[in-house]
Amino acid sequence: QQPVQSPQAVILREGEDAVINCSSSKALYSVHWYRQKHGEAPVFLMILLKGGEQKGHEKISASFNEKKQQSSLYLTASQLSYSGTYFCGTANFGNEKLTFGTGTRLTIIP
Amino acid sequence: NAGVTQTPKFQVLKTGQSMTLQCAQDMNHNSMYWYRQDPGMGLRLIYYSASEGTTDKGEVPNGYNVSRLNKREFSLRLESAAPSQTSVYFCASSRGDTSYEQYFGPGTRLTVT
Repeated sequence: QQPVQSPQAVILREGEDAVINCSSSKALYSVHWYRQKHGEAPVFLMILLKGGEQKGHEKISASFNEKKQQSSLYLTASQLSYSGTYFCGTANFGNEKLTFGTGTRLTIIP
Repeated sequence: NAGVTQTPKFQVLKTGQSMTLQCAQDMNHNSMYWYRQDPGMGLRLIYYSASEGTTDKGEVPNGYNVSRLNKREFSLRLESAAPSQTSVYFCASSRGDTSYEQYFGPGTRLTVT
């Protein structure tokens, strides 16, 4: 079942903060976050695993509420380079595949 | 390292024609995936291969076939293209299951007329 992302779109000024949410109706094993710029491939941002382990490589943080089956991505002091569409991908236990949400379009203006 | 490569970048087909999309990765990854992306629909999994020699259906497998030729290569075939298969196709790979990040290729933009 496809996870639900919110908001669908958001416009921010440089330096403002954003939160993007991802919720699932099923128990989750892992949540992935990717960013995609127009005309390009999705790029990995972060993985959150059941049990609290997080893996990421950018100055972006995220949370994973296992009981609520939700994850949130936090973008603080946003930069112009943060613009793009953010996708969460979720996986259930024993599942080798991700199901992606429909994305959140983030626009940062100077 | 090239990462994940896909060919071709663009393709126009007529209804009923067939074609194969090629994907290769040089990261020694075990798992490979084919997704399609349509406006407003996000990424939908067509087929995946958890390891060399295995393939499984994703959410939208109808009208497609795949071959995991070896550990590096994973191809997607459209036997009889339909306008509904107009989309951007992404190949991805990862070290293993969903506890590992996926690396995406640059995509193939396919139009079926």
